[in-house]
Amino acid sequence: DVKVTQSSRYLVKRTGEKVFLECVQDMDHENMFWYRQDPGLGLRLIYFSYDVKMKEKGDIPEGYSVSREKKERFSLILESASTNQTSMYLCASSEKGGYNQPQHFGDGTRLSIL
Amino acid sequence: DQQVKQNSPSLSVQEGRISILNCDYTNSMFDYFLWYKKYPAEGPTFLISISSIKDKNEDGRFTVFLNKSAKHLSLHIVPSQPGDSAVYFCAASTGNEKLTFGTGTRLTIIP
Repeated sequence: DVKVTQSSRYLVKRTGEKVFLECVQDMDHENMFWYRQDPGLGLRLIYFSYDVKMKEKGDIPEGYSVSREKKERFSLILESASTNQTSMYLCASSEKGGYNQPQHFGDGTRLSIL
Repeated sequence: DQQVKQNSPSLSVQEGRISILNCDYTNSMFDYFLWYKKYPAEGPTFLISISSIKDKNEDGRFTVFLNKSAKHLSLHIVPSQPGDSAVYFCAASTGNEKLTFGTGTRLTIIP
């Protein structure tokens, strides 16, 4: 069965800290995605990656960076955490082949920045 | 600018009746649409999809309808069951792997 694992379910950090969110998929998928989910705003794409070492900005990349050194792992980095980055973060993966490949999601990391 | 809109934040339906969730979009380049379902404390799971060359797609109790001229799609659940209580997101794509999601509708099935 398809599995996307996010390293933490809950995380509390302080303003200004550098924060790493990790995501691992076991399906050998080429594509990986990072979203944030906020009430009334739905899911918004932060960054995505089509292949190892490849990355593209999504709709709200400001304040974030990503790293994909291995195919199965996609990391989201908050360079200097701010309170407006308190949110639910969701990682997803999908097979290459176009838009008709459904994305498979992890269970999310609820991040609080104090 | 919200390109995919779900104007009803919540919906309550009696068990056994039909649930209809709606989604509107503004980008005429969208040509593939998906619905995802999300339970609390879990990630969204894929439910059903439809290509713009079709106007209807069925999978068991779930049917998605697409009206391209109105830029509107809907998800019908018949009959509604308590386990259908969740947040439903519609999503759209212009033909690449990137999806644009709506804001979600919380569906509550009343026993």
